[in-house]
Amino acid sequence: SQKIEQNSEALNIQEGKTATLTCNYTNYSPAYLQWYRQDPGRGPVFLLLIRENEKEKRKERLKVTFDTTLKQSLFHITASQPADSATYLCALAGYSSASKIIFGSGTRLSIRP
Amino acid sequence: DAGVIQSPRHEVTEMGQEVTLRCKPISGHDYLFWYRQTMMRGLELLIYFNNNVPIDDSGMPEDRFSAKMPNASFSTLKIQPSEPRDSAVYFCASRRGAQDGYTFGSGTRLTVV
Repeated sequence: SQKIEQNSEALNIQEGKTATLTCNYTNYSPAYLQWYRQDPGRGPVFLLLIRENEKEKRKERLKVTFDTTLKQSLFHITASQPADSATYLCALAGYSSASKIIFGSGTRLSIRP
Repeated sequence: DAGVIQSPRHEVTEMGQEVTLRCKPISGHDYLFWYRQTMMRGLELLIYFNNNVPIDDSGMPEDRFSAKMPNASFSTLKIQPSEPRDSAVYFCASRRGAQDGYTFGSGTRLTVV
């Protein structure tokens, strides 16, 4: 069955360091992958989209990589700040149904001052 | 734009009662999605519409759930009769193109007692 796994439930990082979150998937032929941020009591907020033929995408302090051989995406936040503390969700859309995306369970990131 | 608007923000109801959740998507967005989020199961896709037409309702848990989109600016998710296991946060999201990021509403927190 199709599965999306994010590496850990929680990650604690010292301010200023690079935070790296992992998203692994199985039994998918992904058309694209997205990353979202979710704060407590709020809906997810879209951050980045990367297509299956793209290796890397950047947006300000964010960087996403996509390796379809390893079936993995990495999400990096450089120069992390306490304001980056949130839950980060990866989401995949498969070629068979590219109009809808399925979410992973999320990784809760805490940046300590 | 005010974003995706959901109402009510919170709903507490007794088991067996009918519950109706409402969503106004962003103007010009052709796709509308209903998700449910719980600690145990994460974000689950219930149903999505394209140009007001239901495309995939395979995530709707059972016949007690129904969704409609009578026009491009309004959708409802109805649960009848409601059960305690339906307690969750229900999110509506919309997007313009087939591969665009989703814009989520603030969600409706449903508690069935």
